[in-house]
Amino acid sequence: EPEVTQTPSHQVTQMGQEVILRCVPISNHLYFYWYRQILGQKVEFLVSFYNNEISEKSEIFDDQFSVERPDGSNFTLKIRSTKLEDSAMYFCASKPGQGSGDTQYFGPGTRLTVL
Amino acid sequence: AQKVTQAQTEISVVEKEDVTLDCVYETRDTTYYLFWYKQPPSGELVFLIRRNSFDEQNEISGRYSWNFQKSTSSFNFTITASQVVDSAVYFCALSEAKLTGTASKLTFGTGTRLQVTL
Repeated sequence: EPEVTQTPSHQVTQMGQEVILRCVPISNHLYFYWYRQILGQKVEFLVSFYNNEISEKSEIFDDQFSVERPDGSNFTLKIRSTKLEDSAMYFCASKPGQGSGDTQYFGPGTRLTVL
Repeated sequence: AQKVTQAQTEISVVEKEDVTLDCVYETRDTTYYLFWYKQPPSGELVFLIRRNSFDEQNEISGRYSWNFQKSTSSFNFTITASQVVDSAVYFCALSEAKLTGTASKLTFGTGTRLQVTL
């Protein structure tokens, strides 16, 4: 069964460093998402991406964040200068795009720890 | 603005008990979608079910059942004869329907941690 994959599973970085989180969505899916979950809290939407551009972004997704689909398979989230409060689990999700109610399928997450 | 409320922070039951997880939502849309996801201790988010706002028929899948009531804006989830493997955090989520573009985000509740013991 196709699944969303994410690398790395755990990333440790120093405050102020840049990190890139990588995702490979399900191959025939058209819509891509990033969410984050601070430890013990709810899952929060960051950004959605379709047709090589951002569809929607949340207030969390400020100028320090960017997303890219550099090729036909990868979908990346970059944080330019990490802060302590960026420590969280980051989930990538994708959906086919046949309808707005389509199910989003999530990757296993990348745990980001900022020291 | 959309909002999902899961008032039960944590529930503990003994194996074989039935348990219901509550979910109440708020939205101004007439068309929307509701979801339940399971987050086991390993951390991934596992899709369980999707319902659209026009389909209030309850659904049963094995030991799982869902009760959708538009009149009370609730979408509750019941596990019958719970098992230790059901121990996880369960999230209810809401997605609006958009006329153009379908990159609808999910708005999650705060989750309910279910602990099933022997």
